[in-house]
Amino acid sequence: EIVLTQSPGTLSLSPGERATLSCRASQSVRSSYLAWYQQKPGQAPRLLISGASSRATGIPDRFSGSGSGTDFTLTISRLEPEDFAVYYCQQYGSSPPITFGQGTRLEIK
Amino acid sequence: QVQLVESGGGVVQPEESLRLSCVASGFTFSSYGMHWVRQAPGKGLEWVAFMRYDGSNRYYADSVKGRFTISRDNSKNTVFLQMNSLRTEDTAVYYCAKDRGFLEWLKYMDVWGKGTTVTVS
Repeated sequence: EIVLTQSPGTLSLSPGERATLSCRASQSVRSSYLAWYQQKPGQAPRLLISGASSRATGIPDRFSGSGSGTDFTLTISRLEPEDFAVYYCQQYGSSPPITFGQGTRLEIK
Repeated sequence: QVQLVESGGGVVQPEESLRLSCVASGFTFSSYGMHWVRQAPGKGLEWVAFMRYDGSNRYYADSVKGRFTISRDNSKNTVFLQMNSLRTEDTAVYYCAKDRGFLEWLKYMDVWGKGTTVTVS
């Protein structure tokens, strides 16, 4: 089973700043099969990125994903107030089981 | 629009059973695999189970294998999660989610329901 470790646990930034979230896998993720989700309090997760770098339908271009192998990054170029949430990475290259990272909380500084 | 609506959650005692349902609308349900994912209070996401679009294969997390059963009724656009021998650690919000793959299992989720809460106490 591939274990995903996200860092930092909490990221405190201000609107307009750039956010960089990391997801590290315990072994190589086949074909960059990595997704990112956003979850706001009391809401279901929302798909942001698949295939490490492909934005889902309707996701603003300030969200971008990169990486391969064991190291992946979600970048939000200029934070909007609605971007403050918890972000999860998920690998699907070696499953079942499907595994998620523990999440990064992005909070307003 | 594409929508998933879960129901069936509630409060049960350990070792009891519960059956969750998820009704889909706005897409061709019989062409997509379906997942259940749960989230314990204050915790992260945990994948629970998946069933292929045609019901030919099912997969489970080790934590629920042998206790939970995923099934679907394509004529009713509904996926189910039968949960037996419930434990306190099964307490969570349970989400059903649509797999992104059309007639294949891509293993990531592009549509999620709002969830239903299961409390085992």
